Amino acid sequence: KQEVTQIPAALSVPEGENLVLNCSFTDSAIYNLQWFRQDPGKGLTSLLLIQSSQREQTSGRLNASLDKSSGRSTLYIAASQPGDSATYLCAVRPTGNQFYFGTGTSLTVIP
Amino acid sequence: GAGVSQSPSNKVTEKGKDVELRCDPISGHTALYWYRQSLGQGLEFLIYFQGNSAPDKSGLPSDRFSAERTGGSVSTLTIQRTQQEDSAVYLCASSLWTSGGATGELFFGEGSRLTVL
Repeated sequence: KQEVTQIPAALSVPEGENLVLNCSFTDSAIYNLQWFRQDPGKGLTSLLLIQSSQREQTSGRLNASLDKSSGRSTLYIAASQPGDSATYLCAVRPTGNQFYFGTGTSLTVIP
Repeated sequence: GAGVSQSPSNKVTEKGKDVELRCDPISGHTALYWYRQSLGQGLEFLIYFQGNSAPDKSGLPSDRFSAERTGGSVSTLTIQRTQQEDSAVYLCASSLWTSGGATGELFFGEGSRLTVL
């Protein structure tokens, strides 16, 4: 069974810093990997989707990379802002129907 | 619709009552998922629908839980004889089923927060 791990569980940084969130998965046979953010009391908002054939995706200040062979993905956030404070989750989709989610990294950006 | 819509957003019920939670997926999305998120916990898969195929019910925690999807669109998750441990946020997500047979990007609704007293 696919297992997804996110480290660290919590991260606190001062505003303006660049930061990296990590996601690792045990089975490299995935179809895609998706990053989400979740604000308190809200649903999940999709940030970036990386297909298995891709190495990275970018959206604004966000850049996600994928290394299938090592079972790792990183989400890079440039010039962090207080509005980036949220929980960030990654999900991998093996070659079946289910998505496997990590437990998330809680990010706090201090003004 | 523009996004995945869930109702009610909040539901408070007494132990032993039945509840129904509704999900209206993005128009054209044939794949629909239900997840449960307990306080401070990760997402727990409940059930998956894809078109007219038999649903994947492998995540349903007990026979008190059931779900249906009518006309390949709206889905209802029903919890019978609710227990306090059923208190959680129930999240619905939908995705497009591509011609390659695989789902694409997953989009979530805002969730239904269930509190069982």
